[in-house]
Amino acid sequence: EVQLLESGGGLVQPGGSLRLPCAASGFTFSSYAMSWVRQAPGKGPEWVSSILGSGSRTYYADSVKGRFTISRDNSKNTLYLQMNSLRAEDTAVYYCAKDHSPSPNGIWGFDSWGQGTLVTVSS
Amino acid sequence: EIVMTQSPLSLPVTPGEPASISCRSSQSLLRSDGYNFLDWYLQKPGQSPQLLIYLGSNRASGVPDRFSGSGSGSDFTLEISRVEAEDVGVYFCMQALQIPLTFGGGTKVEIK
Repeated sequence: EVQLLESGGGLVQPGGSLRLPCAASGFTFSSYAMSWVRQAPGKGPEWVSSILGSGSRTYYADSVKGRFTISRDNSKNTLYLQMNSLRAEDTAVYYCAKDHSPSPNGIWGFDSWGQGTLVTVSS
Repeated sequence: EIVMTQSPLSLPVTPGEPASISCRSSQSLLRSDGYNFLDWYLQKPGQSPQLLIYLGSNRASGVPDRFSGSGSGSDFTLEISRVEAEDVGVYFCMQALQIPLTFGGGTKVEIK
């Protein structure tokens, strides 16, 4: 059974940093692209960032480019999101999500989501 | 950026009756290899989104066969043949053809 477990969320001041890990199990982690999707309170999901299974390519939404960094450690089956220069508008539940295709190229969509971790940016 | 437009915004349904949700994209989601890069997700109250349909018309593992997806190019439909009480929640379409991946605004399905 696929399991994705995010952690690291919490309250942070504007301009601060957080690192979100997502521990994965139940599948061959290095074979799948992984992504972060966030959902602000009362809003729909917003794609944030993705990384291919090999880690060779990364993709970012314009709203986080230059501030957030996605990475993965395939030896530890763990996905990360380093978030710097946080803003109030980054407040959301952050989900990690597994791609539904083992294709080495590109992002296909998400067949498994974690339970999410809440990030609140406020002074 | 590909803009995804869903309708209706809200859908009151009667258990046992069919339901249909539309999703339109500002650009074709049909890739040259024949795949439509359109997924449907359901977010039940208090839960994470779950995949229902991928690549336009493929039911995800464990999804009841009362759910079906159809369409191609820029016009897609999610149909529920007979709505059950457990189907309430917000339904989202999402395109994965192009970065940034984008979601529709959502359709809230509730029981009458």
